[in-house]
Amino acid sequence: DGGITQSPKYLFRKEGQNVTLSCEQNLNHDAMYWYRQDPGQGLRLIYYSQIVNDFQKGDIAEGYSVSREKKESFPLTVTSAQKNPTAFYLCASSTGHLSGANVLTFGAGSRLTVL
Amino acid sequence: GENVEQHPSTLSVQEGDSAVIKCTYSDSASNYFPWYKQELGKRPQLIIDIRSNVGEKKDQRIAVTLNKTAKHFSLHITETQPEDSAVYFCAASRNSGANSKLTFGKGITLSVRP
Repeated sequence: DGGITQSPKYLFRKEGQNVTLSCEQNLNHDAMYWYRQDPGQGLRLIYYSQIVNDFQKGDIAEGYSVSREKKESFPLTVTSAQKNPTAFYLCASSTGHLSGANVLTFGAGSRLTVL
Repeated sequence: GENVEQHPSTLSVQEGDSAVIKCTYSDSASNYFPWYKQELGKRPQLIIDIRSNVGEKKDQRIAVTLNKTAKHFSLHITETQPEDSAVYFCAASRNSGANSKLTFGKGITLSVRP
């Protein structure tokens, strides 16, 4: 299970609190992604980054923020502005090169529960 | 943007039978179509993918077919086994390098009855 590590595995948060989920990869991948998984909703893209110091909004970016200060790290902050934050969050990475641009390697996920 | 739909949402087959899972996509410029398998409590993993210059691709018991005209692609699993029970996600993207991103379907739960 090496390659891409997410922490914590489980996280509980009170309403109104921000929380940051960690994602670290040692695959030397250029691109990193955050997905949210809800039952029956599939994988929805929150944010993605193709290169250090640059990132793009995905389909459901509202209430989330990210940073990409290092190639191996792409933390996700779930802010108090996210109305329905309880979900399973998956981080992924890919080479970002044309031939393998979209072959994703996923982390094991972080389950966030808002109490 | 791209819209990917999967049908049916659940599928139950007898062990040894074949299973076919179909996806449709909306963006005619999409040219990369992967399938991911997520077993219960585990992370999604790529099982097979196909690019738009190919109509079919096989890997042992699994195959994927692509119909660009109709904008649909299908996953075929032969001789199903209990370990094939999982959620299967299809996805589509324009594999054009910078800022290309996958759009996933909602997933199909496959149950293989022993």
